[in-house]
Amino acid sequence: QVTLKESGPGILQPSQTLSLTCTFSGFSLSTYGMGVAWIRQPSGKGLEWLANIWWDDDKYYNPSLKNRLTISRDTSNNQAFLKITNVDTADTATYYCARNYYDGTYYFDYWGQGVMVTVSS
Amino acid sequence: DIQMTQSPPVLSASVGDRVTLSCKASQNINKNLDWYQQKHGEAPKLLIYYTNNLQTGIPSRFSGSGSGTDYTLTISSLQPEDVATYYCYQYNSGWTFGGGTKLELK
Repeated sequence: QVTLKESGPGILQPSQTLSLTCTFSGFSLSTYGMGVAWIRQPSGKGLEWLANIWWDDDKYYNPSLKNRLTISRDTSNNQAFLKITNVDTADTATYYCARNYYDGTYYFDYWGQGVMVTVSS
Repeated sequence: DIQMTQSPPVLSASVGDRVTLSCKASQNINKNLDWYQQKHGEAPKLLIYYTNNLQTGIPSRFSGSGSGTDYTLTISSLQPEDVATYYCYQYNSGWTFGGGTKLELK
């Protein structure tokens, strides 16, 4: 059974660094075709893909945010991480991690419940 | 960057209606498109991958089609539990979600 769960600070101040953790089970990020993606959604708005990391440690970032994002993983503990530097109120959103599966096509087949992050002074 | 435009933004339909949601890409995405359903307060759920492949466990009333720049998600007979926002997502070049179509009951 595949599960993912996000964790984060809840609230932080502008200019700080947001650190998010995705703890997953039921698959390994060392297995061919497996990846984890981060996606966010401001309240009442649409989805925005942020970054993903793959079984071979390849990493991809949303070009509009690339300079502020860092994705990483800990395969031993089944975790993936996302850091966003220099946050502001526009980064207030629910952040999801999702399993990104590649078998010639890409899709997010399992999602976490999401974690709300508020940026406020 | 590839832009994904979904239409209409809001769709009202009755139970039993055949419903078609549209997603248009700014350039050819070679069928590299998925559809996700998001009910209020929940995480998104994969419905369709690679244009027309039904994810395991998804009812057969959902189907996808398209090619090039134009794609559709069809619900053959709308059910009350289908009220949700639907997002298309391309991965042909980069990764981009459409803005969503909110499906309501009339």
